[in-house]
Amino acid sequence: NAGVTQTPKFQVLKTGQSMTLQCAQDMNHNSMYWYRQDPGMGLRLIYYSASEGTTDKGEVPNGYNVSRLNKREFSLRLESAAPSQTSVYFCASSREFNQPQHFGDGTRLSIL
Amino acid sequence: GQSLEQPSEVTAVEGAIVQINCTYQTSGFYGLSWYQQHDGGAPTFLSYNALDGLEETGRFSSFLSRSDSYGYLLLQELQMKDSASYFCALNRDDKIIFGKGTRLHILP
Repeated sequence: NAGVTQTPKFQVLKTGQSMTLQCAQDMNHNSMYWYRQDPGMGLRLIYYSASEGTTDKGEVPNGYNVSRLNKREFSLRLESAAPSQTSVYFCASSREFNQPQHFGDGTRLSIL
Repeated sequence: GQSLEQPSEVTAVEGAIVQINCTYQTSGFYGLSWYQQHDGGAPTFLSYNALDGLEETGRFSSFLSRSDSYGYLLLQELQMKDSASYFCALNRDDKIIFGKGTRLHILP
């Protein structure tokens, strides 16, 4: 009963390096999301995919790209990492957009 | 614009009842959700109000009043394991907006 699986769990990058965070869900959900969480800032939506084949910008999309590879998988890419992107990244899914979300365990990303 | 306001911290005693408030400013939304997050963990869904009124799920209840732009999460019979952060979230047709969270401290 995996739910939402994120890889890797931890990563350290140097400024300017690129990185793809992977997310997969096994609940047959249509909608998937990427958030970042910084101390005192709550969860901020980076990008979302309301259904397979669509992606849309959230609140803080700059510096990121996403790919909805298929119904199960939604990846987040940092093309040129910056220290301001040091954060905890959460992937989430829901049966439909606007329904309760299930979250992965997060990826803790540090950029030096 | 839209924003959600919740207290940054709340302290309560084990066995007691605590209410965590959430006020919002937005032009329209489908519903108000609540999530719990323990330190180092992932957010987990607790409750959802699509309509005004009270929703009860075990020890947790959530309330929404659209006319007052206000909602709350009520936790009864507090247990030490309820020590966590609690987030309210607005579900709109174009985005989901989370509050900054309320850290609940429980005293024995």
